[in-house]
Amino acid sequence: GAVVSQHPSWVICKSGTSVKIECRSLDFQATTMFWYRQFPKQSLMLMATSNEGSKATYEQGVEKDKFLINHASLTLSTLTVTSAHPEDSSFYICSATGTGVQTQYFGPGTRLLVL
Amino acid sequence: GENVEQHPSTLSVQEGDSAVIKCTYSDSASNYFPWYKQELGKRPQLIIDIRSNVGEKKDQRIAVTLNKTAKHFSLHITETQPEDSAVYFCAASLDGSARQLTFGSGTQLTVLP
Repeated sequence: GAVVSQHPSWVICKSGTSVKIECRSLDFQATTMFWYRQFPKQSLMLMATSNEGSKATYEQGVEKDKFLINHASLTLSTLTVTSAHPEDSSFYICSATGTGVQTQYFGPGTRLLVL
Repeated sequence: GENVEQHPSTLSVQEGDSAVIKCTYSDSASNYFPWYKQELGKRPQLIIDIRSNVGEKKDQRIAVTLNKTAKHFSLHITETQPEDSAVYFCAASLDGSARQLTFGSGTQLTVLP
């Protein structure tokens, strides 16, 4: 099956710093990537959808200037949490779909803790 | 937009018994329905999916049924095992290719040994 990797798996940072999370499709061309946020014992909340080479589409209530998404190639999307604050602490998961892929495949997630 | 409701939120069964999780969706145009299993701290993994031109699909101990008229679909797990314990999410998509999935709220399944 399709494989999606995500890096880092864990990050702890100080309030006010920026954090970049990478999402890579390893064995297929990811024409569309998705970024989700998940709080403990809750469902996946879609933050934004990005298509390769174009600007991301953000869901209502998600600040695009705070959560910067770049999908510059068919195998890589990045999410940058700018000026992170403790309330940004969460589990961030990417997923991808694309050529020859019939569903969304998820990355392993990144646990962000902002002190 | 699409709205997906999932029940129950928690489910405990004895090992060997069956488990059923139900989801309803609001948009009759939805045509793709995947189910994901998420173990604690790990990624959601696709376990089975069904498209709107099929009423039932089975893969070993897992089956999914779809009732388009009633706009609901269900996950059935038979002969449950402790390793089936996880959170299960249903989802619905309008475009058939999972580019726009709306997820249910999840069901925490616990299989008691």
